[in-house]
Amino acid sequence: DQQVKQNSPSLSVQEGRISILNCDYTNSMFDYFLWYKKYPAEGPTFLISISSIKDKNEDGRFTVFLNKSAKHLSLHIVPSQPGDSAVYFCAASTRNSGNTPLVFGKGTRLSVIA
Amino acid sequence: ETGVTQSPTHLIKTRGQQVTLRCSSQSGHNTVSWYQQALGQGPQFIFQYYREEENGRGNFPPRFSGLQFPNYSSELNVNALELDDSALYLCASSLHVVSYGYTFGSGTRLTVV
Repeated sequence: DQQVKQNSPSLSVQEGRISILNCDYTNSMFDYFLWYKKYPAEGPTFLISISSIKDKNEDGRFTVFLNKSAKHLSLHIVPSQPGDSAVYFCAASTRNSGNTPLVFGKGTRLSVIA
Repeated sequence: ETGVTQSPTHLIKTRGQQVTLRCSSQSGHNTVSWYQQALGQGPQFIFQYYREEENGRGNFPPRFSGLQFPNYSSELNVNALELDDSALYLCASSLHVVSYGYTFGSGTRLTVV
């Protein structure tokens, strides 16, 4: 039973265009969401997060949108750059319960083509 | 400020053997979590250690065990290795209350043959 789903295994985008990565979750107790980026032979690195009290969080080229009613979040990267090519993981936690192990999706491989 | 360091980077073991993986947490972080990432999957939570005590456990059998030391470094031990234990094992350190997410190490790639 997958609580966090990333239904697109891969995505290709041209340099300079927008990349949109999607994530759905099933557990309504999740109240904190994060995106991680992973390059080969490296551990995941934190990218951006959003609390369930917000519907948008922006950090430079990266914006995360949260739609609680649809249990859906998305990561927008504008403009996309070749260095953004990596696997992106969506993760969720029940932060307010104290013990907050992250639940990850399977990841989406983004390829930005120059 | 040093990040999270894991050793070894790669390991090959035979089914039925035991393995110990090691992790040094980021400076100032007192909580360590271990994740297993099988091929084509996202990381899956194994357990978390805080103040040398297990502080939460995922859906993994008891042959997966761990330790945290006074300097906050940690070990993951797996007994009676099975072929399905082949995966990337990630260690992540954090402050106890997660604010900006974990800091992950580069992982240990375990292959069981």
